[in-house]
Amino acid sequence: DIQLTQSPSFLSASVGDRVTITCRASQGISSYLAWYQQKPGKAPKLLIYAASTLQSGVPSRFSGSGSGTEFTLTISSLQPEDFATYFCQVLISNPPWTFGQGTKVEIK
Amino acid sequence: QVTLKESGPVLVKPTETLTLTCTVSGFSLNNVKMGVSWIRQPPGKALEWLAHIFSNDEKSYSSALESRLTISKDTSKSQVVLTMTNMDPVDTATYYCARVERYDSWPTSFWYFDLWGRGTLVTVSS
Repeated sequence: DIQLTQSPSFLSASVGDRVTITCRASQGISSYLAWYQQKPGKAPKLLIYAASTLQSGVPSRFSGSGSGTEFTLTISSLQPEDFATYFCQVLISNPPWTFGQGTKVEIK
Repeated sequence: QVTLKESGPVLVKPTETLTLTCTVSGFSLNNVKMGVSWIRQPPGKALEWLAHIFSNDEKSYSSALESRLTISKDTSKSQVVLTMTNMDPVDTATYYCARVERYDSWPTSFWYFDLWGRGTLVTVSS
């Protein structure tokens, strides 16, 4: 199975900061990667799929990039509602569809 | 409006079998561009993908849990059912079902989990 490693696991940032989260795959996965945001007590919400395609309704301050084994999620200007945990997920044509271990973004 | 809702027991005993139902509305389980997955999340921990069922009834399972899982669907009832045998306290988690949609971008396709249920917390304890 393909493994995903996110870094950092935790980050502390201020409103207005530019934030970057990295997700590394154990083998090349082209652009078969999605990013989700999860707030406490809530289900995850899709932010980005196909590595860089913004889901409808998601603010443009979120962006994704990468291909192969290294991917990034960037929040260009962190807003109060962005403090949450972020997960990446590999979605190659056939499962398993593994998740990364998560990155918690907290207020500095 | 598209929704998914999980239902099942909140408490199961060790060694028992867990049966969870995901009732969907607003889309068909026969739609070739859609499927349903089950995912779980132990308290304070990461998401773990468990199983998926495609529109053609093809099924896939987590390799770590494959021997304990069965996924099925009843299209007429708009339900997807997950059973997990031999439950253990380490299986305590919030269990989610999610719609998985396919986006075609020639020459390939991309899947993504676009809609999730609210989840149901299952506690395993004697």
